Amino acid sequence: GENVEQHPSTLSVQEGDSAVIKCTYSDSASNYFPWYKQELGKRPQLIIDIRSNVGEKKDQRIAVTLNKTAKHFSLHITETQPEDSAVYFCAALDTGRRALTFGSGTRLQVQP
Amino acid sequence: GAGVSQSPRYKVAKRGQDVALRCDPISGHVSLFWYQQALGQGPEFLTYFQNEAQLDKSGLPSDRFFAERPEGSVSTLKIQRTQQEDSAVYLCASSRGLAGVVEQYFGPGTRLTVT
Repeated sequence: GENVEQHPSTLSVQEGDSAVIKCTYSDSASNYFPWYKQELGKRPQLIIDIRSNVGEKKDQRIAVTLNKTAKHFSLHITETQPEDSAVYFCAALDTGRRALTFGSGTRLQVQP
Repeated sequence: GAGVSQSPRYKVAKRGQDVALRCDPISGHVSLFWYQQALGQGPEFLTYFQNEAQLDKSGLPSDRFFAERPEGSVSTLKIQRTQQEDSAVYLCASSRGLAGVVEQYFGPGTRLTVT
């Protein structure tokens, strides 16, 4: 089955700096890669996603890149703000199976 | 519109008790998923429904876990004879599930503590 590795496990940046979180996946059949933000005690919130037919997608300060050959994808947050502090999860979907496989999460702390 | 809702939000059970966790998906969403999230970990898949049909239950950890969605909307996850290792947050997610729409939206979860 699918295996998703996520790094780093914790990331501390100064407000205004950029943050990058990286994930690798094992199943070449995966073709959908969402990112979720989870604040303490809250539900995972879908913040951006990418499908395998594109290499990059942007939404304001957030971007995701995908390298299908290397089987890795990354989340980029620019101009970080304290409210970006949360745990971020990457995931991969094998549509043959329908279920998401999640990475282990990255705790991002943005220092004001 | 209304998102995915779950109840109860918190449940404390004594070891050996049965529990039932409810999920109300987004109206019209065909697909419904249950995930288990241990402290400090990512969600792990338990089971998947398309309408009322349970198409994948490969993630259920034991035969003490049972899920149903009899009318294709509300779903219940039941855990019999709870054990301490069942303590976790149980998340429900739903998706339109039609024509390649695969985005999953999560509920707030039920935090189960088995004492």
